[in-house]
Amino acid sequence: AQRVTQPEKLLSVFKGAPVELKCNYSYSGSPELFWYVQYSRQRLQLLLRHISRESIKGFTADLNKGETSFHLKKPFAQEEDSAMYYCALRGRGSTLGRLYFGRGTQLTVWP
Amino acid sequence: EAGVTQSPTHLIKTRGQQATLRCSPISGHTSVYWYQQALGLGLQFLLWYDEGEERNRGNFPPRFSGRQFPNYSSELNVNALELEDSALYLCASRAGGYNEQFFGPGTRLTVL
Repeated sequence: AQRVTQPEKLLSVFKGAPVELKCNYSYSGSPELFWYVQYSRQRLQLLLRHISRESIKGFTADLNKGETSFHLKKPFAQEEDSAMYYCALRGRGSTLGRLYFGRGTQLTVWP
Repeated sequence: EAGVTQSPTHLIKTRGQQATLRCSPISGHTSVYWYQQALGLGLQFLLWYDEGEERNRGNFPPRFSGRQFPNYSSELNVNALELEDSALYLCASRAGGYNEQFFGPGTRLTVL
């Protein structure tokens, strides 16, 4: 069964420190993974997807199939990165179209 | 470009009543998704509509239903409301193909 796990509910770092938000998944086959972000009083929005292999706002995420992980990383956190981050997996086959979300990690970056 | 819109913003009902939530997708988007975000839980997939038809359904009882209209807007109906239905309901829309889902601001449903 498809499942996404974000083990940290809360994560706090100081400005300029590296940050890593963890995401592990369970999926039989080739997964399609995403990171979504929700800033305070804003709607949920896509941050990045693994197939794009891009860096958005300094964030990167690498799919590690061996460890079934898709951790989100940024070398130098900024205060404006404070937000709720969700890892998501897109289903295929009978679950085509739906996104499976983790429970989210609330990141706080202190000045 | 206008984003996904949802109405109402807040909805308060009592147990046993019915709730109707509405979603207008981004112009040109034909798929609409509904998700439930209950307190302490992540977003859980409810329903997916595409071109007016239900394409996929999450693990929710039949009292959760919906439809998609010819203009691609969508309605989510929840019958026989229970206290645990209190949640934020998010709608998302997507254009064809493997494009991203764009989310609306949500409707906060409170069941008393």
